[in-house]
Amino acid sequence: RKEVEQDPGPFNVPEGATVAFNCTYSNSASQSFFWYRQDCRKEPKLLMSVYSSGNEDGRFTAQLNRASQYISLLIRDSKLSDSATYLCVVRIPQDGYALNFGKGTSLLVTP
Amino acid sequence: NAGVTQTPKFRILKIGQSMTLQCAQDMNHNYMYWYRQDPGMGLKLIYYSVGAGITDKGEVPNGYNVSRSTTEDFPLRLELAAPSQTSVYFCASTKDGNTEAFFGQGTRLTVV
Repeated sequence: RKEVEQDPGPFNVPEGATVAFNCTYSNSASQSFFWYRQDCRKEPKLLMSVYSSGNEDGRFTAQLNRASQYISLLIRDSKLSDSATYLCVVRIPQDGYALNFGKGTSLLVTP
Repeated sequence: NAGVTQTPKFRILKIGQSMTLQCAQDMNHNYMYWYRQDPGMGLKLIYYSVGAGITDKGEVPNGYNVSRSTTEDFPLRLELAAPSQTSVYFCASTKDGNTEAFFGQGTRLTVV
């Protein structure tokens, strides 16, 4: 099984800080990429898809570098409610295009 | 539109017992997946299905079985439960091979 690797953290940052998460994937056939958010082992919820051209959704910016097989997530102006685990997810054309998950990066935003 | 519904939310089983975890989606998605998540670990694929009548093993299928008689339902069967199957189980579905997945709320299973 090809892997998705993330720094597990935890990242402890004050409110208002900017924080960046990185993710690398090893399967060059990977074709779709996502960041999910998971709270206290509840179900993962889609934060954003990641496109080759990079994309932004409010305070969140995602980047994809296919040549380096690297994905990033930038969170600006962190809020207390951003505290969660962020999962890097990659889909590959095997196992029914199953989602391959990193172990997640834990973020704690403090007052 | 309920999305993906899993039942039960919690269950305690004794070693050797059997049970079925239910998963249903109302989005007409062809692709469905079962994952388990252990503390500090990423989600691991147990079984998947690309359409009604089609199922296949994922990374950690031992001790489990699935069926997919309809597009909507993808139950996961545990036979002869073992303590190693204590975990949180998530069912997910996707429209196709590229789009995002939607998850059920999970089933927290303890085998004692």
